[in-house]
Amino acid sequence: GAVVSQHPSWVICKSGTSVKIECRSLDFQATTMFWYRQFPKQSLMLMATSNEGSKATYEQGVEKDKFLINHASLTLSTLTVTSAHPEDSSFYICSARDLGLAGPYNEQFFGPGTRLTVL
Amino acid sequence: KNQVEQSPQSLIILEGKNCTLQCNYTVSPFSNLRWYKQDTGRGPVSLTIMTFSENTKSNGRYTATLDADTKQSSLHITASQLSDSASYICVVSGHGANNLFFGTGTRLTVIP
Repeated sequence: GAVVSQHPSWVICKSGTSVKIECRSLDFQATTMFWYRQFPKQSLMLMATSNEGSKATYEQGVEKDKFLINHASLTLSTLTVTSAHPEDSSFYICSARDLGLAGPYNEQFFGPGTRLTVL
Repeated sequence: KNQVEQSPQSLIILEGKNCTLQCNYTVSPFSNLRWYKQDTGRGPVSLTIMTFSENTKSNGRYTATLDADTKQSSLHITASQLSDSASYICVVSGHGANNLFFGTGTRLTVIP
């Protein structure tokens, strides 16, 4: 149980184009989803938090107009990287939490990640 | 400042040997501490989670310890296997919904 999937697993795009990454909770309802970015040999950095049906909360330094997040349903959140540039190339990971499943550990379940390469 | 520091940054061991990874944190207030395994190009997978009152937890060949007084944790891997080669990330949760603090990880390589 508690499986999170991401699609695509990798994507290569040209500079200036937009890329959409999907994050799905497969067997639970994700009241909250988180988007992280990870550069090589670095740890995960939280970009934004989204609660179903409301606007995402972005971390300091993350441009909300560049990284559009939509959490329209309890099982799907999308991250759209608009007008992507080579410096946006990174590993994007989502995680999801269901308050009903979180338990005393406030557990988040991570997706497998999406490798974005912008040429 | 809330920080999580891990050591060593990288480690190479022979297959079958044991190893211990360290995590020191300054997160306060403290809620729980997690160890994750992250294979290259994959998302993190939870190994253990411990709250303040838990000082050891095992998951197969992985055993984590927590000393909440000194704010230190360790992850001990017994009888290492080639498939243990990965990054191991210590994550400390503060109070509140989204307060996760990530360590930079220890890159473990197990060689035959």
